[in-house]
Amino acid sequence: AQKITQTQPGMFVQEKEAVTLDCTYDTSDPSYGLFWYKQPSSGEMIFLIYQGSYDQQNATEGRYSLNFQKARKSANLVISASQLGDSAMYFCAMREGRGSQGNLIFGKGTKLSVKP
Amino acid sequence: GAVVSQHPSWVICKSGTSVKIECRSLDFQATTMFWYRQFPKQSLMLMATSNEGSKATYEQGVEKDKFLINHASLTLSTLTVTSAHPEDSSFYICSARRVWGGSYEQYFGPGTRLTVT
Repeated sequence: AQKITQTQPGMFVQEKEAVTLDCTYDTSDPSYGLFWYKQPSSGEMIFLIYQGSYDQQNATEGRYSLNFQKARKSANLVISASQLGDSAMYFCAMREGRGSQGNLIFGKGTKLSVKP
Repeated sequence: GAVVSQHPSWVICKSGTSVKIECRSLDFQATTMFWYRQFPKQSLMLMATSNEGSKATYEQGVEKDKFLINHASLTLSTLTVTSAHPEDSSFYICSARRVWGGSYEQYFGPGTRLTVT
């Protein structure tokens, strides 16, 4: 079974609008971390946001916020006020285990295209 | 900030030759580094976990004799693709783990695009 599921292969959003990228995860470990990365066409992986399984509040970083619904095992990324530079692949990832020592497991990614 | 570099950024080689890719943590020591492979329009797949001073741990299905990993120092890990074939053409990304304030943070290199002709 897939540990990280991203059901949207591609998404379009109008510039300046908000967009939600979906991510669901599967784990039986009570301690885990959830990550979102952006990968532009140049290839580098850019860390966006992190949510720990014990964090009470949803993580936010500038225009990025993570809608963490623990009971539903979902960790959707919300990008507000989309910009043309947001066009890229977005990967959701999970790290299991106490002490954050586990490996990162990636979803298949969502290609976001921002339209002017 | 923590910076991870990779060299070369891209390489073209002929089938049957070997290629070495370097991954360096520039401003921190990394006892653990990870090597990922990414095919076009696909996700990152972990190939192996490299620990300084010991043998790498390979993921299932990854040939350890083909993908040689050496983590000889706390700032350098190398991946050598031996006897490369066209199907080895891919984007190889390394990642270095930094221990910071009791937690573990993982930083990615910019990747190496390998094309085998």
